[in-house]
Amino acid sequence: EIVMTQSPATLSVSPGERATLSCRASQSISNSLVWYQQKPGQAPRVLIYGASTRATGIPARFSGSGSGTEFTLTISSLQSEDFAVYYCQQYNNWPPITFGQGTRLEIK
Amino acid sequence: QVHLVESGGGLVRPGGSLRLSCAASGFTFGDYYMNWIRQAPGKGLEWVSYISNTGSHANYADSVKGRFTISRDNAKNSLYLQMNSLRAEDTAVYYCARDPGSNWFDPWGQGTLVTVSS
Repeated sequence: EIVMTQSPATLSVSPGERATLSCRASQSISNSLVWYQQKPGQAPRVLIYGASTRATGIPARFSGSGSGTEFTLTISSLQSEDFAVYYCQQYNNWPPITFGQGTRLEIK
Repeated sequence: QVHLVESGGGLVRPGGSLRLSCAASGFTFGDYYMNWIRQAPGKGLEWVSYISNTGSHANYADSVKGRFTISRDNAKNSLYLQMNSLRAEDTAVYYCARDPGSNWFDPWGQGTLVTVSS
């Protein structure tokens, strides 16, 4: 089973600033990585797939990078609606499909 | 648009059973693999099970293998999860989600809460 580790667990950033979230895989997953955003009381929604491709309707301030075992989600200029929990998920080696434990992005 | 609506959650005693349903609309249901993912209260996401588009094969997380059974009825655009021998640690919001073709999940339903408690 591939273990996904996200850091930090909580990130405090001011609106308008840049946020950088990390995700590490326990073994190489090529670019088979998805990022989800989850707001309180809502289901997750896809932001990025294939490590760097924005899903339909996702603003350009969200970008993904990385391959192999190290991945990054960057939000270039935080808006109020971006404060949420973010999860990464690998789909290179399954089953099982595995998620990171999440990073909570909070307002500083 | 694509829409998934789960139902069937509720309170059940340890050792009991429950059947979840997911009604799909807005897309050709029979063309897609489907999944169940769960989230314990205040915790992260855990993939539970997938089923192929025809229903011919399925797979399960080790934590539910032998207790849960996924199925689908393409004529009714519906996905199911039969949960037996429920344990306290199965308490979670259960989401159904479509696999767009590469083993990730989009979109997700709104979820249904399963609580296993005496």
